[in-house]
Amino acid sequence: GAVVSQHPSWVICKSGTSVKIECRSLDFQATTMFWYRQFPKQSLMLMATSNEGSKATYEQGVEKDKFLINHASLTLSTLTVTSAHPEDSSFYICSAREERELNEQFFGPGTRLTVL
Amino acid sequence: GQNIDQPTEMTATEGAIVQINCTYQTSGFNGLFWYQQHAGEAPTFLSYNVLDGLEEKGRFSSFLSRSKGYSYLLLKELQMKDSASYLCAVLDSNYQLIWGAGTKLIIKP
Repeated sequence: GAVVSQHPSWVICKSGTSVKIECRSLDFQATTMFWYRQFPKQSLMLMATSNEGSKATYEQGVEKDKFLINHASLTLSTLTVTSAHPEDSSFYICSAREERELNEQFFGPGTRLTVL
Repeated sequence: GQNIDQPTEMTATEGAIVQINCTYQTSGFNGLFWYQQHAGEAPTFLSYNVLDGLEEKGRFSSFLSRSKGYSYLLLKELQMKDSASYLCAVLDSNYQLIWGAGTKLIIKP
């Protein structure tokens, strides 16, 4: 099956720094990638949808200047948390989808971000 | 608005059967997914239903009734490793996944 990787798996950073998370589709071309955030004991919350070569579409309440998303190629999307604060500590999960398979999303393993 | 309801927590005994229900109200429907999620890990795919009826896959089965906006996940011969959260998600008319809050399943010996 299709494989999606995320890097890093976990990261600890100081408040005020920026953190970049990579999401890669390893064996297929991902025309669309989704970024989710999950707080403890809660379900996944969609942050934004990105299509290759165009600007990401952010969900209501998600600050686009704080969570920068770049989907420059068909196999790579990045999420940069700028000026991270402790309240940004969360589990960030990406998923990827092929253009022809709209009903299938393949999930990455997630990135645990802890901001001190 | 869009809404997906499932129980917050369920407890079952090892070796038994458990049914986790999910009801939904969404803008359009392109299928319903069940995912399993262990703590600290990403969701893993269990099943996809787009037509009414029962889909069986080993110890796990999933049922869908589109007219009732209802699905259930049936787990048989429960094992301790089945302790996890089970997420119901509906693919809406824009092919976006709408997620339920998840059901935490606790398996007791």
